[in-house]
Amino acid sequence: AQSVTQPDIHITVSEGASLELRCNYSYGATPYLFWYVQSPGQGLQLLLKYFSGDTLVQGIKGFEAEFKRSQSSFNLRKPSVHWSDAAEYFCAVGAITGGGNKLTFGTGTQLKVEL
Amino acid sequence: SQTIHQWPATLVQPVGSPLSLECTVEGTSNPNLYWYRQAAGRGLQLLFYSVGIGQISSEVPQNLSASRPQDRQFILSSKKLLLSDSGFYLCAWSDSRWGNTNTGELFFGEGSRLTVL
Repeated sequence: AQSVTQPDIHITVSEGASLELRCNYSYGATPYLFWYVQSPGQGLQLLLKYFSGDTLVQGIKGFEAEFKRSQSSFNLRKPSVHWSDAAEYFCAVGAITGGGNKLTFGTGTQLKVEL
Repeated sequence: SQTIHQWPATLVQPVGSPLSLECTVEGTSNPNLYWYRQAAGRGLQLLFYSVGIGQISSEVPQNLSASRPQDRQFILSSKKLLLSDSGFYLCAWSDSRWGNTNTGELFFGEGSRLTVL
């Protein structure tokens, strides 16, 4: 069965500092990988995705993530955090099947940005 | 472009009362549809998914049910709510086509906050 681990429940960074959110997955084949962001009381917005090709993927809002098969990781990075980045971030692993797109989500990392 | 809407946004219901949350998708046809529940610190739990009208699959046993009466409409229901049904419910859709046009992501609605008292 597929699974996702986000080891950091809470992270606090200063505005302008760099950010890395960790994500480790378990999946039997080449996975589809995603990062979503959620503001309080809102739905989830897709930041970026990986399903093939270049292992460094660029997303919206200046985020990027790198797929490392040897480490089963898909960490999210941003070189300079803005106060508006404060939100909860979810990593997900999935596959396209005859029964729909089956995504398994991590428990999320809450990001706080100090001004 | 495609849009997804769910309502109501907020709902406070007494224990034992019925529930109906509705979700509709516009701008696409034959989407796959999903209901997730989000509890604090526990991520997102897939409750139901549907690959077509009248086709519902349940991922976890529970007090809830789902229906898909139309291609782009997905309804989450309960006959008698329990305290444990409180949470944030998210509807989502995905492309149902095979091939490179489907890159696996889900598109989420704005969510419905249910409080059972």
